[in-house]
Amino acid sequence: NAGVTQTPKFRILKIGQSMTLQCAQDMNHNYMYWYRQDPGMGLKLIYYSVGAGITDKGEVPNGYNVSRSTTEDFPLRLELAAPSQTSVYFCASSYESYNEQFFGPGTRLTVL
Amino acid sequence: GQNIDQPTEMTATEGAIVQINCTYQTSGFNGLFWYQQHAGEAPTFLSYNVLDGLEEKGRFSSFLSRSKGYSYLLLKELQMKDSASYLCAVKPTGGFKTIFGAGTRLFVKA
Repeated sequence: NAGVTQTPKFRILKIGQSMTLQCAQDMNHNYMYWYRQDPGMGLKLIYYSVGAGITDKGEVPNGYNVSRSTTEDFPLRLELAAPSQTSVYFCASSYESYNEQFFGPGTRLTVL
Repeated sequence: GQNIDQPTEMTATEGAIVQINCTYQTSGFNGLFWYQQHAGEAPTFLSYNVLDGLEEKGRFSSFLSRSKGYSYLLLKELQMKDSASYLCAVKPTGGFKTIFGAGTRLFVKA
């Protein structure tokens, strides 16, 4: 099993550009999450999904959108990138909400 | 509100024992997790406590007191590779989110 995979690993965006961060898991997990982690800080939840077709906002959803058309994939869309979105983005999944989460390797995004 | 507190940084010596504390105030309690995160890498799961008491897993142990809203992670026989951030996370009752603390950066020195 590959676990949780994320692409790209690194990206530099100009202000106002858009991009999609890809996330996939092959563990048949119901729950998937997107977090951002700023330097020296904890994980802040952006969006989460409890299953295909169902998504909900987390703590810091502004400027982001998600979709979950399949169990495996949970892409995160950034529209009109801003410098405040410079961060490391982690995708994670779990079988149930009270189980441990498995994290992808992260995407390091810089907006200039 | 929901809050998790951990020390920001700790330093310990190779071969020693270190205890990383975590206190939490959440809307109900459905389990507490510890994750390890090396610099530049993703968090990885270490332990899960749902009942009071000590859970031991090799060199790592985790303790929980639900009545006190308190947990600690105990690392024995410290090795240089244990230098990392340790994240305490709580699953409140209701809802689907897990709340993460800011993490404790542990430096292990020779």
